[in-house]
Amino acid sequence: DVKVTQSSRYLVKRTGEKVFLECVQDMDHENMFWYRQDPGLGLRLIYFSYDVKMKEKGDIPEGYSVSREKKERFSLILESASTNQTSMYLCASSSLRRGLGDGYTFGSGTRLTVV
Amino acid sequence: KQEVTQIPAALSVPEGENLVLNCSFTDSAIYNLQWFRQDPGKGLTSLLLIQSSQREQTSGRLNASLDKSSGRSTLYIAASQPGDSATYLCAVRLTGGGNKLTFGTGTQLKVEL
Repeated sequence: DVKVTQSSRYLVKRTGEKVFLECVQDMDHENMFWYRQDPGLGLRLIYFSYDVKMKEKGDIPEGYSVSREKKERFSLILESASTNQTSMYLCASSSLRRGLGDGYTFGSGTRLTVV
Repeated sequence: KQEVTQIPAALSVPEGENLVLNCSFTDSAIYNLQWFRQDPGKGLTSLLLIQSSQREQTSGRLNASLDKSSGRSTLYIAASQPGDSATYLCAVRLTGGGNKLTFGTGTQLKVEL
């Protein structure tokens, strides 16, 4: 079964810390995405990547950066965590190639609390 | 800008009922539409994917339809069960949209015994 794996289910970090959220997919997908989900605001796209070493800003990139050194891994970085970054973070991947099923596959999410 | 709306926002039904969840979108130039399920505190699970050339997709008790011209999709759940209780999200990918999805606001479903 194809999978997107997020390294942590729950994280608690202090204000000002540098935080890394890791995501790995085993489907050889070109595209990877990071969303955050907040009550009343739905899913909002932070960053996405179409290929290794490539990144594009989503709708709310401020305070975040990303890294994609290998095709299967997409990392979200909070340079200096703040309390307003407390949220559920969801990673997803998809393929550009029809026939592979070009829908999105999501990870199980990381609930980040910044105190 | 694509906007995706889901009605109703919340729904409570007795076990065994057939039900329909609605999704509407403003830009009909879609590449595909995907329905997801999300349990509390969990990630999204893909239920059905409909390509723009398709009218419907079925998986078990679930049937999703797509009418691009009217900007609508419906998710039909037959013989609902308490285990179907979850939030259901639809998401639309535009043609030429760079593989980004626009998500609906979700319908929170509760199936009661």
